[in-house]
Amino acid sequence: GAVVSQHPSWVICKSGTSVKIECRSLDFQATTMFWYRQFPKQSLMLMATSNEGSKATYEQGVEKDKFLINHASLTLSTLTVTSAHPEDSSFYICSATSGLAVTMSGRSAQFFGPGTRLTVL
Amino acid sequence: AQKVTQAQTEISVVEKEDVTLDCVYETRDTTYYLFWYKQPPSGELVFLIRRNSFDEQNEISGRYSWNFQKSTSSFNFTITASQVVDSAVYFCALSLYNQGGKLIFGQGTELSVKP
Repeated sequence: GAVVSQHPSWVICKSGTSVKIECRSLDFQATTMFWYRQFPKQSLMLMATSNEGSKATYEQGVEKDKFLINHASLTLSTLTVTSAHPEDSSFYICSATSGLAVTMSGRSAQFFGPGTRLTVL
Repeated sequence: AQKVTQAQTEISVVEKEDVTLDCVYETRDTTYYLFWYKQPPSGELVFLIRRNSFDEQNEISGRYSWNFQKSTSSFNFTITASQVVDSAVYFCALSLYNQGGKLIFGQGTELSVKP
């Protein structure tokens, strides 16, 4: 159980275009989803926290107008990279949690998607 | 501020050697969770363990073991009799109880196990 999918798994786009990445929890309701970014040979950095039905909370230094996050349902969150540029090329990973019930079980607090590799030419 | 430090950027061992990956964390909170994740070349994070701040018991799972010491703010990970399949990047992470589950990751340690 607790499977999170991401689509697409990889995408190549031209500079200036927008790219949408989907994150879905397949077998549980995710009250909270997180979006991370990982540059090559670096750690995962949290970009934003997304709660169903409310606006996302962005980490310091992350442009909310450039990285649009929508968490319209308990199973889907989307990240749209608007007007993408080569410096946005990265590995984007989402994770989902159903909250306290998951943490108290002793399992991982979050379930991670497989990631989306974005290359902007 | 919270922080996780993995001082070892890269470790290379020969198969069957034991290897310990270090993790030191900083937080003033008393309730928190510590994690280890494995990231193979495919990129997908694999959950290894979660520990809460009130449980300092060491844990063993097969060839993996973890040593949690609050006195030194460390949560080290040991692989016994390493195998080539253990080659990956390993991340230690911290989550605070009152922050809704968001994770603060260390820089990661790239482990290379050679045959």
